[in-house]
Amino acid sequence: NAGVTQTPKFRVLKTGQSMTLLCAQDMNHEYMYWYRQDPGMGLRLIHYSVGEGTTAKGEVPDGYNVSRLKKQNFLLGLESAAPSQTSVYFCASSYSRTGAGNTIYFGEGSWLTVV
Amino acid sequence: KQEVTQIPAALSVPEGENLVLNCSFTDSAIYNLQWFRQDPGKGLTSLLLIQSSQREQTSGRLNASLDKSSGRSTLYIAASQPGDSATYLCAVKVQTGANNLFFGTGTRLTVIP
Repeated sequence: NAGVTQTPKFRVLKTGQSMTLLCAQDMNHEYMYWYRQDPGMGLRLIHYSVGEGTTAKGEVPDGYNVSRLKKQNFLLGLESAAPSQTSVYFCASSYSRTGAGNTIYFGEGSWLTVV
Repeated sequence: KQEVTQIPAALSVPEGENLVLNCSFTDSAIYNLQWFRQDPGKGLTSLLLIQSSQREQTSGRLNASLDKSSGRSTLYIAASQPGDSATYLCAVKVQTGANNLFFGTGTRLTVIP
């Protein structure tokens, strides 16, 4: 059982380049999330989705776009990468609302460096 | 906005010692609180989830307590082992608003053999 899988694991981008991070889950979860983790900041929610075809903004959505065309996949896009987007990105999923007693599952992270 | 603080940022203990990790939050109107473990280069693994109506949860050598009124939670690890070395994060879910967990910055635990 793969759980939550993120690709790629590492990527170096030049300022202004675009890229897409892919998250796939095989647990038939409705909810999916993208977080970023920065030193001294804790994890912060970028965008989330409550089901196929839906997306919503989290705490730090600027500079990112997302899509949930299939229930099992949640894509995070950077249209014009900036050095401030250097971070570790985590995808997560849960069966229903976090906090309803359901565990949230995290991927292993994607390390992105923007130079 | 909910602020979650974990002190200390790092902790080293000898193997076998019992230890307590602390988590504090500013807004007591929470839905639940979770403790996670993060190993280097890995994602987060949920350890314990405490609903706002509960006072504690136990799993093996781990015991998490919650005092909502004072905005505090503790994670107690009994008889620590080198395999417990990791970063431990707490996160609170607010009662209203967007689907969001507010995370602390974590305590990096090292258990010395």
